[in-house]
Amino acid sequence: GAVVSQHPSRVICKSGTSVKIECRSLDFQATTMFWYRQFPKKSLMLMATSNEGSKATYEQGVEKDKFLINHASLTLSTLTVTSAHPEDSSFYICSARRAGHSNQPQHFGDGTRLSIL
Amino acid sequence: TQLLEQSPQFLSIQEGENLTVYCNSSSVFSSLQWYRQEPGEGPVLLVTVVTGGEVKKLKRLTFQFGDARKDSSLHITAAQPGDTGLYLCAGVVRAGGTSYGKLTFGQGTILTVHP
Repeated sequence: GAVVSQHPSRVICKSGTSVKIECRSLDFQATTMFWYRQFPKKSLMLMATSNEGSKATYEQGVEKDKFLINHASLTLSTLTVTSAHPEDSSFYICSARRAGHSNQPQHFGDGTRLSIL
Repeated sequence: TQLLEQSPQFLSIQEGENLTVYCNSSSVFSSLQWYRQEPGEGPVLLVTVVTGGEVKKLKRLTFQFGDARKDSSLHITAAQPGDTGLYLCAGVVRAGGTSYGKLTFGQGTILTVHP
């Protein structure tokens, strides 16, 4: 089945640090990947849509300069949280969809728990 | 305004009971997915429904997609403690343009099944 790998699974760092999270589709090509944020016991909130070879599309209220997204290949998208602060602490999850029709289901990574001290 | 209303948000039941989770919207979805998520992990796809009126079964789980493709339900028969988790419905809104097929999620249902 489709496998999406997300790394790292957990990050603890000091305020002001920039943190990069990787999302890889292991056995399929993904022209589109998505980045979500999730608070405890809440649903997923879409942050941005990452498109291979073009600029990411951010949802309303998400700071582009704060959350940098790069989708340089068909199997890798990265999210960089720049100058992270405690309020950025959260569970970040990526998903990838096989290249093709938009009805293809999204397959999710296991998430990254980000804790900013 | 929540595009996809999921209910109930919390459900605590005894082992062996049946339950139903609902997702409703005023929008038409080209497809709808149900996911299950455990703490500290990503959501795992349970099913995708595409056709209005479609019913899919996965062991003790039954999924229905409304005739108008605006609503869906998940029914679990004889729930077990292993069914405990966060259940999420998510749909791709039927629309043109550059939506890239992004998913709209319901609020989620936290299910706890007590032994």
